[in-house]
Amino acid sequence: EIVLSQSPGTLSLSPGERVTLSCRASQSVNNAFLAWYQQKPGQAPRLLVHGAANRATGIPVRFSGSGSGTDFILTINRLEPEDFAMYYCQQYGSSPYTFGQGTKLEIK
Amino acid sequence: EVQLVQSGAEVRKPGESLKISCKGSGYSFRSYFIGWVRQVPGKGLEWVGLVFPRDSQSRYSPSFQGQITISADESIRTAYLHWSSLKASDTGMYYCVRQQYSSWSAFEYWGQGTLVTVSS
Repeated sequence: EIVLSQSPGTLSLSPGERVTLSCRASQSVNNAFLAWYQQKPGQAPRLLVHGAANRATGIPVRFSGSGSGTDFILTINRLEPEDFAMYYCQQYGSSPYTFGQGTKLEIK
Repeated sequence: EVQLVQSGAEVRKPGESLKISCKGSGYSFRSYFIGWVRQVPGKGLEWVGLVFPRDSQSRYSPSFQGQITISADESIRTAYLHWSSLKASDTGMYYCVRQQYSSWSAFEYWGQGTLVTVSS
């Protein structure tokens, strides 16, 4: 089973800032089958990025993903108030699919 | 518009059985994998398993294998997650998800979640 480790656990930032979230895999993720999800309190997660670098339908261009192998990054340029939430990475290249433990992005 | 609508919250006692449902609309139900994801309150996400409605092929996470059964009824566009004997540790929010194209694809659509509470 591939273990995903996200860092940092919590980030405190202000609107307008740029943020990078990290996701490290215990072994290489097949075909860069790595996704990022955003979850707000009381809501289901929402797909942001798939295939490590492809924005999902309707996701603003300020969200971008990168990486390959074992190291992946989600970047959010110019944080908007609605971006403060939990973020999870997930690999779906090997079974069982696994999620990282999440990074909480909070308003400073 | 693609929608996944799940059944309502459930409260059961340990040892009881339960089946929760997820009805898909707005797309070809038989052509996409449907999965389930658990979230324990205040915790992260865990993949439970998936089913392909066209042929009922299913696959489970080892953490859930033998504890649950995932099935689908193509005729009524509904997927199910079934427990024959619940444990307190099954408590959590369960989301159904539709994958993008194959079983090796991201979870593009999510249901609203079904809260399952198992308590004596």
